[in-house]
Amino acid sequence: EDKVVQSPLSLVVHEGDTVTLNCSYEVTNFRSLLWYKQEKKAPTFLFMLTSSGIEKKSGRLSSILDKKELFSILNITATQTGDSAVYLCAVKSNFGNEKLTFGTGTRLTIIP
Amino acid sequence: DVKVTQSSRYLVKRTGEKVFLECVQDMDHENMFWYRQDPGLGLRLIYFSYDVKMKEKGDIPEGYSVSREKKERFSLILESASTNQTSMYLCASVWGLQPNTEAFFGQGTRLTVV
Repeated sequence: EDKVVQSPLSLVVHEGDTVTLNCSYEVTNFRSLLWYKQEKKAPTFLFMLTSSGIEKKSGRLSSILDKKELFSILNITATQTGDSAVYLCAVKSNFGNEKLTFGTGTRLTIIP
Repeated sequence: DVKVTQSSRYLVKRTGEKVFLECVQDMDHENMFWYRQDPGLGLRLIYFSYDVKMKEKGDIPEGYSVSREKKERFSLILESASTNQTSMYLCASVWGLQPNTEAFFGQGTRLTVV
């Protein structure tokens, strides 16, 4: 069974802090790893990672994948209250047909 | 813009009722997924479909079935709703022919079974 584990489950930091969210996985026929941000309703896409060691960056957010150690991290620098959300990690695998498996998510709360 | 539309945002049903949750996407995506999201458990895959009339069980298919008669529509059916199926249900779709594309989500249906 494919498995995606995120840590920590919950994180509370002050505005301006830097945070690192973790995602480890065990899947058959890995295709890609995706990060999503979920505020109130539908998750919104952040990054897709397919190759090890190549950092993806968007503003204050960045992410990197390690396919040897089977994990990814999502960094957020200079956090703002608008970063408060649940961050979801998902892994796309293909064993005959494409499957998308999610972790439990990390709930990030930014205190002003 | 890709759009994934779920038919209801909020639904209240009685125990034992048959419940249909509908999901429609407008980008000709091959792959569609149904998840339920519960606090502390993340998104858990119920069923997915990679083509019309094709379906695969996810991690928690018990108590659910699905239907995909047309490419754009993927329905989740609760044959006999129970209170432990109270949850947020999310539908997602992804383009199957291009391997490295992201999944797009509907707005979710919050189902309460009383």
